[in-house]
Amino acid sequence: KAGVTQTPRYLIKTRGQQVTLSCSPISGHRSVSWYQQTPGQGLQFLFEYFSETQRNKGNFPGRFSGRQFSNSRSEMNVSTLELGDSALYLCASSTGLAGGPQETQYFGPGTRLLVL
Amino acid sequence: QQPVQSPQAVILREGEDAVINCSSSKALYSVHWYRQKHGEAPVFLMILLKGGEQKGHEKISASFNEKKQQSSLYLTASQLSYSGTYFCGTRGQAGNTPLVFGKGTRLSVIA
Repeated sequence: KAGVTQTPRYLIKTRGQQVTLSCSPISGHRSVSWYQQTPGQGLQFLFEYFSETQRNKGNFPGRFSGRQFSNSRSEMNVSTLELGDSALYLCASSTGLAGGPQETQYFGPGTRLLVL
Repeated sequence: QQPVQSPQAVILREGEDAVINCSSSKALYSVHWYRQKHGEAPVFLMILLKGGEQKGHEKISASFNEKKQQSSLYLTASQLSYSGTYFCGTRGQAGNTPLVFGKGTRLSVIA
């Protein structure tokens, strides 16, 4: 079974621009979560989608948004980029069916975003 | 709320043991452990559910103390391949809560 894929793998943008990142979950997985990873801060939860609905949202400004399509693929968008948005953005998928604490997530390789 | 991991970093020689701790101020239902090597995605190691169970994965095992809301990851007879950053992720008792991760523990195993 193919793993979680993310595109693009690397991205360079300038301040004020916007960016869209894409994530394709493992086949059969309906839940997709997004995380921002920066040095020293670990994995910061952005949001989680299940069956095209946002199920949970982290403590990030409204510039960060996402969506999920009927085939479970997900995109996240960051508008008006700031220097501090430079990070590795990780996507993780799970079945979403258990809907509970025993749900295991599987991560993609991430998209490394650099904002200049 | 983000769980707290300790230590932040540890250096081991091959064959030595290490313990990584993960604690939360909130009631937990599960603890998930991952390892991330430099430049790679985090890889799932094991999950522990409330009930104080202990699990093992080769020479890596973990425990979950529900009363203390704490989990510990045990690495015995460490190998060079164990190097990486270890993250614990926690979910609360409410349904459909997100998986929240600690800041990680960087483990370096040297020959």
